[in-house]
Amino acid sequence: EVQLVESGGGLVQPGRSMKLSCAASGFTFSSFAMAWVRQAPTKGLEWVASISYDGGNTYYRDSVKGRFTISRDNAKSSLYLQMDSLRSEDTSTYYCAKDTGYYGYTAFDYWGQGVMVTVSS
Amino acid sequence: DIVLTQSPALAVSLEQRATISCKTSQNVDNYGISYMHWYQQKPGQQPKLLIYEGSNLASGIPARFSGSGSGTDFTLTIDPVEADDIATYYCQQSKDYPPTFGGGTKLELK
Repeated sequence: EVQLVESGGGLVQPGRSMKLSCAASGFTFSSFAMAWVRQAPTKGLEWVASISYDGGNTYYRDSVKGRFTISRDNAKSSLYLQMDSLRSEDTSTYYCAKDTGYYGYTAFDYWGQGVMVTVSS
Repeated sequence: DIVLTQSPALAVSLEQRATISCKTSQNVDNYGISYMHWYQQKPGQQPKLLIYEGSNLASGIPARFSGSGSGTDFTLTIDPVEADDIATYYCQQSKDYPPTFGGGTKLELK
């Protein structure tokens, strides 16, 4: 059974940093691209970042470029999102999602339960 | 960025057909594949993949769900609608980065 379990969320002040983690199991983690998708309270889904199966390619939405860093550790079957210079508009539930392909450009077939990040003073 | 447009809500009766549309600002087909996917999200839950690449049913999804369309016009059909299908439905394109989602269509009971 595929499982994606996020951790690391909470309340953080504007301008500070936070790191999210996602522990994957039930599939060959090193064979698939992974992504972070977020959802602000009562809003729709918004893609944040993706990383290829081997970590060699990373992609970001414009609003987080230079502030967020996606990474992975295939030996630990784990995905990460380092978030720096956080803003109030980053407040969202962050989902870890498995891609169906190596490099992205496909659907997200499994999602974690999500972790809430609140940016507020 | 490719913009995906969905109607905000759709009211339907149980055991009837629901048709949810998604229109894209650019063609999301490439080499015969439609890079259009559909998700279901219930309150307090994570999204679930229903349909990938336009018309392919995801694993474990009942055949009441189907997807169709090409180019810039796509449709998710639920026939017949069951009580458990009351949720918000999102379309998503993966032809170009950034991947983008529609605003979601909330399926409601008449």
